[in-house]
Amino acid sequence: TQLLEQSPQFLSIQEGENLTVYCNSSSVFSSLQWYRQEPGEGPVLLVTVVTGGEVKKLKRLTFQFGDARKDSSLHITAAQPGDTGLYLCAGRPPSNAGKSTFGDGTTLTVKP
Amino acid sequence: EAQVTQNPRYLITVTGKKLTVTCSQNMNHEYMSWYRQDPGLGLRQIYYSMNVEVTDKGDVPEGYKVSRKEKRNFPLILESPSPNQTSLYFCASSFRGNRNIQYFGAGTRLSVL
Repeated sequence: TQLLEQSPQFLSIQEGENLTVYCNSSSVFSSLQWYRQEPGEGPVLLVTVVTGGEVKKLKRLTFQFGDARKDSSLHITAAQPGDTGLYLCAGRPPSNAGKSTFGDGTTLTVKP
Repeated sequence: EAQVTQNPRYLITVTGKKLTVTCSQNMNHEYMSWYRQDPGLGLRQIYYSMNVEVTDKGDVPEGYKVSRKEKRNFPLILESPSPNQTSLYFCASSFRGNRNIQYFGAGTRLSVL
């Protein structure tokens, strides 16, 4: 089983601060996804990164895939209360298109 | 509207009483999966299916069964539920041509007493 370790597990910051969430593994993934989940709902995909070293931006969110395709980061600039939620990374192994492994999640709280 | 529909949303049952959680998607997706979500453990894949009549075990398949007789439906069956199966369950689907984009249902909260 391929494991994904997310850190930190909990993050509480003030509006306007920057933050970074990390997703690390000892295994190679063919792709990594970042999801956001609100209470009482299923996860919603934010981005997929596929190429080692890839950087994608989604407004104030910047996603990076490690060169070796074993890790990823999510950076939020000038966080807002609306960013509050559970952030999950997920990866697919190169050998099996059907399998999907999720990290334990990072619970982000942005205080006004 | 494109969606993944799970039923029921909430279920309380007793140990040993067989139950089925249904999942249906209207996007003609080939791939479907079941996950369970427990505090501090993220989502763990129970079973997945890459097409009709093709299913395979995920990371935590013990105590669960699935079937994929039609493309749109992927029910999760608990033959003899136990308290350690109390959890939040999610069904997801994705298109084979872009399997990285998974669409999730709203979840089923199951309590086994």
